[in-house]
Amino acid sequence: GNSVTQMEGPVTLSEEAFLTINCTYTATGYPSLFWYVQYPGEGLQLLLKATKADDKGSNKGFEATYRKETTSFHLEKGSVQVSDSAVYFCALATGGGNKLTFGTGTQLKVEL
Amino acid sequence: EAGVTQFPSHSVIEKGQTVTLRCDPISGHDNLYWYRRVMGKEIKFLLHFVKESKQDESGMPNNRFLAERTGGTYSTLKVQPAELEDSGVYFCASSLGGHTGNTIYFGEGSWLTVV
Repeated sequence: GNSVTQMEGPVTLSEEAFLTINCTYTATGYPSLFWYVQYPGEGLQLLLKATKADDKGSNKGFEATYRKETTSFHLEKGSVQVSDSAVYFCALATGGGNKLTFGTGTQLKVEL
Repeated sequence: EAGVTQFPSHSVIEKGQTVTLRCDPISGHDNLYWYRRVMGKEIKFLLHFVKESKQDESGMPNNRFLAERTGGTYSTLKVQPAELEDSGVYFCASSLGGHTGNTIYFGEGSWLTVV
């Protein structure tokens, strides 16, 4: 079956630090990969996605590259801000459908 | 344009009671999904409606959970009777189409605590 493993949190960083949140996956077939973010008091929002190997998804300064050889989709940002504090979820979908398999989420806290 | 709205936002009920969660998808979205996140664990798929029909209900945990989508508009998720392990956040989501290219929009979630 499908599964997503992402690094345990919480992750605490200082503003302007470099961020990496690791995500690896196991999937039947050829998945599409996603990062969702949940800001405090809000619903899940799609942050970025990639649908094929070597694709790079990017949004709001965040990037993630679909690495088929390592089955990974690590999230990175060069300089985090306090406003990036949120819970980040890695997810996948297979078969072209919209049924998502999520990781456990990684809470990020950015301090001044 | 209104997003996906869920009600109630928070609910505390006793074991054995019944709770009904409601979801209003974005207008015109035929696809509606329910997900659940039990404390500290991953968000898990419960089921998928296309209009009023259940396309996939493989994630429903047991027969204490009943989801409906009358008329293909809003949806309800009833838990009866509630057990302690049902506590968590229940997310509803909707999308225009059912394929990966269609963005899924999530609601803020309904927090359920069973005591």
